[in-house]
Amino acid sequence: DAGITQSPRHKVTETGTPVTLRCHQTENHRYMYWYRQDPGHGLRLIHYSYGVKDTDKGEVSDGYSVSRSKTEDFLLTLESATSSQTSVYFCAISESGRDEQYFGPGTRLTVT
Amino acid sequence: EDKVVQSPLSLVVHEGDTVTLNCSYEVTNFRSLLWYKQEKKAPTFLFMLTSSGIEKKSGRLSSILDKKELFSILNITATQTGDSAIYLCASEDSGTYKYIFGTGTRLKVLA
Repeated sequence: DAGITQSPRHKVTETGTPVTLRCHQTENHRYMYWYRQDPGHGLRLIHYSYGVKDTDKGEVSDGYSVSRSKTEDFLLTLESATSSQTSVYFCAISESGRDEQYFGPGTRLTVT
Repeated sequence: EDKVVQSPLSLVVHEGDTVTLNCSYEVTNFRSLLWYKQEKKAPTFLFMLTSSGIEKKSGRLSSILDKKELFSILNITATQTGDSAIYLCASEDSGTYKYIFGTGTRLKVLA
């Protein structure tokens, strides 16, 4: 299995609080992605990174920000969590951006 | 707007049956189509297709791409209960390094 971990694995938080999810990889892959998965929507891209300090928006980026200060870590921040951000969040990595993605175990986030 | 559509949304079969899952795509800068299997946790990679008409095969699973008609199929023969999962397809946009996922097909195989 690709070396990808996500933390925390589960989190319950209140509306309006900031939340940061972490993705850590040991594969030295250049590309990293954050997705959310909701029933009826499949996987939707939030943000992705194509190198240290290089990031771009996905289709559902509103309310989220990311940072990548080193190759192995990609952070997803919800500045002020809302109930609509209750979801399962997956991190993924890709070596070239042109090949298969390997997914982390996911983080289940509940915003009450 | 780029999109990937999978059908059927869900499917229930009995062990030993053969199933065909469909994925159609409309992607401006299409480069490849990927299939993933998702059981209880993270999606795991099955196939990546870039050329029309060339079948990719792994055991009882196979997949093919039609770039003229803009679709792919995933076949599973002699299904087993362990094949029960959500099957996702995704298309890569070559201009942006983004992958667009379909909503998935939920397959249930009954013993």
